[in-house]
Amino acid sequence: QKEVEQNSGPLSVPEGAIASLNCTYSDRGSQSFFWYRQYSGKSPELIMSIYSNGDKEDGRFTAQLNKASQYVSLLIRDSQPSDSATYLCAVIPSGSARQLTFGSGTQLTVLP
Amino acid sequence: DTAVSQTPKYLVTQMGNDKSIKCEQNLGHDTMYWYKQDSKKFLKIMFSYNNKELIINETVPNRFSPKSPDKAHLNLHINSLELGDSAVYFCASSQDPMDGYTFGSGTRLTVV
Repeated sequence: QKEVEQNSGPLSVPEGAIASLNCTYSDRGSQSFFWYRQYSGKSPELIMSIYSNGDKEDGRFTAQLNKASQYVSLLIRDSQPSDSATYLCAVIPSGSARQLTFGSGTQLTVLP
Repeated sequence: DTAVSQTPKYLVTQMGNDKSIKCEQNLGHDTMYWYKQDSKKFLKIMFSYNNKELIINETVPNRFSPKSPDKAHLNLHINSLELGDSAVYFCASSQDPMDGYTFGSGTRLTVV
């Protein structure tokens, strides 16, 4: 069983819409949760981190964490074509020497 | 100034050859990592070094060996390259993994 699972997509949304990206993880003791954005041919860049249950907002991005359901999501409001990228969910599982474990990513396309 | 730099950016080589990829970070971070990203965008941890000590060594073939001459450098040496080694290799660093990683720009390795 994969430790971190994401729908691979592709996910397409029109410009200005809300994009919703989802991620589940298998280790209930996971400590920290991250969303990375990766443009084609580029390296992953950190866009959000969340540690506690609930919502965390940063500009157009909102991360949501539900530890009971082992679920983390990323909402992108007012989606722009420049948001088109692969979004990688990552967690630090328990007992992992604080190693980031990544999901396989969701490819998002924002249509003008 | 580039925070985490990798060289070379592209590497094409024949099966059976030995090659190295270099990584340097100027962030003063204590821990450095090597990740392999396959064609499906899945990022998998290979090694990490903390203050010149190996703290994680995932089940990678022993043809792969990390070498860290100092805290700012973590090089990856690969012996007897195989077709399946073709991938993008990312170096990363962190001061506190709970704050996420900073990735280098990646090295695309193609074995022919």
